[in-house]
Amino acid sequence: AQSVTQPDIHITVSEGASLELRCNYSYGATPYLFWYVQSPGQGLQLLLKYFSGDTLVQGIKGFEAEFKRSQSSFNLRKPSVHWSDAAEYFCAVGSSGGSYIPTFGRGTSLIVHP
Amino acid sequence: GAVVSQHPSRVICKSGTSVKIECRSLDFQATTMFWYRQFPKKSLMLMATSNEGSKATYEQGVEKDKFLINHASLTLSTLTVTSAHPEDSSFYICSARELGTSGTYEQYFGPGTRLTVT
Repeated sequence: AQSVTQPDIHITVSEGASLELRCNYSYGATPYLFWYVQSPGQGLQLLLKYFSGDTLVQGIKGFEAEFKRSQSSFNLRKPSVHWSDAAEYFCAVGSSGGSYIPTFGRGTSLIVHP
Repeated sequence: GAVVSQHPSRVICKSGTSVKIECRSLDFQATTMFWYRQFPKKSLMLMATSNEGSKATYEQGVEKDKFLINHASLTLSTLTVTSAHPEDSSFYICSARELGTSGTYEQYFGPGTRLTVT
């Protein structure tokens, strides 16, 4: 069975600082990996995804993530955080192949200090 | 990207009553829709997978008689919480899946419905 671990419940950064949110997955084959962002009381917005190819994936809002098979990780990064980035971030893993249903991590809450 | 809407965005109901939540794919046809439940500060828990024209597949531990799902068309799925109780209060999020041009599925999420049972 696939699973996702987001070890950090909360992350606090200052505006303008760099950010890295950790995600580790468990899946037997090549996974589909996703990062979603959720603002308070809102649904989920896809930031980026990895299916295959280049292991460094660029997403929206200046985010990127790197797939590292040897570490079973898919960490999300942003070089300079804005106050509007404060939100809940979810990593998800889906099974490879033509059909999948993503399994979500518990989320990491990002707090941005001015 | 594709848009998924949910209605209502918020609903308050009395204990013992039923509440229906609608999920629509606005500009694409979704053969499969998903219903998630999110508790405060928790991840999304998949409740059921709904395929158009067939019965929904419920995840273990989800009461199918309590959470009725209907997927009558390619753009509409409904979740009815029957005989609601305060413990059913939660944030319910639907998702619709579309086969993308790359041959893989794209999944789009609705904005969620906040249910409060008093």
